[in-house]
Amino acid sequence: AQSVSQHNHHVILSEAASLELGCNYSYGGTVNLFWYVQYPGQHLQLLLKYFSGDPLVKGIKGFEAEFIKSKFSFNLRKPSVQWSDTAEYFCAVNGGSQGNLIFGKGTKLSVKP
Amino acid sequence: DTGVSQNPRHKITKRGQNVTFRCDPISEHNRLYWYRQTLGQGPEFLTYFQNEAQLEKSRLLSDRFSAERPKGSFSTLEIQRTEQGDSAMYLCASSSGTGSGEQFFGPGTRLTVL
Repeated sequence: AQSVSQHNHHVILSEAASLELGCNYSYGGTVNLFWYVQYPGQHLQLLLKYFSGDPLVKGIKGFEAEFIKSKFSFNLRKPSVQWSDTAEYFCAVNGGSQGNLIFGKGTKLSVKP
Repeated sequence: DTGVSQNPRHKITKRGQNVTFRCDPISEHNRLYWYRQTLGQGPEFLTYFQNEAQLEKSRLLSDRFSAERPKGSFSTLEIQRTEQGDSAMYLCASSSGTGSGEQFFGPGTRLTVL
């Protein structure tokens, strides 16, 4: 069965610090990978996605993620966080034909001004 | 607003009562998903429709849960004889089912069972 692990439950950073959130998945076949973000009081929004091709994908708001197949990882990065990045971040995978997503438990990011 | 909408946004009910939630997907999307999210967890898949056909159900979806999507447009999720363990955020998402298959999420319905 597919599963997703997010290593950090809560990350606290100061503005301008660099960010890396870990995500590992378990699935033997071809996968599509996603990072979603949920800002306080808002619904889930897609940050970025990987389907094929260049394993380094760029998303909105300066975020990027690298797919490393050999490590079953899809870590999210941002070189310099802002207070407005305070949110919960969810890694998700789908490998089935129906497309339902399997989510990790999420990482809450708090950025101190 | 052309996004996914869900109603009601909040529902408080007493144990044993039935509740029904509605999801209106993005109009051209033929795929519709229901997820449930509890505190400290990511969304968990419940069920999936392609047009009006319910094609997949999670084992999380007990017999008390039923979902419909008449005419392949909006969808309803009904929970019968609610239990306190049903308290959660119920999320709806839709996708076009082509290309990227990106899912667009609605704001959710927060259910509290007293």
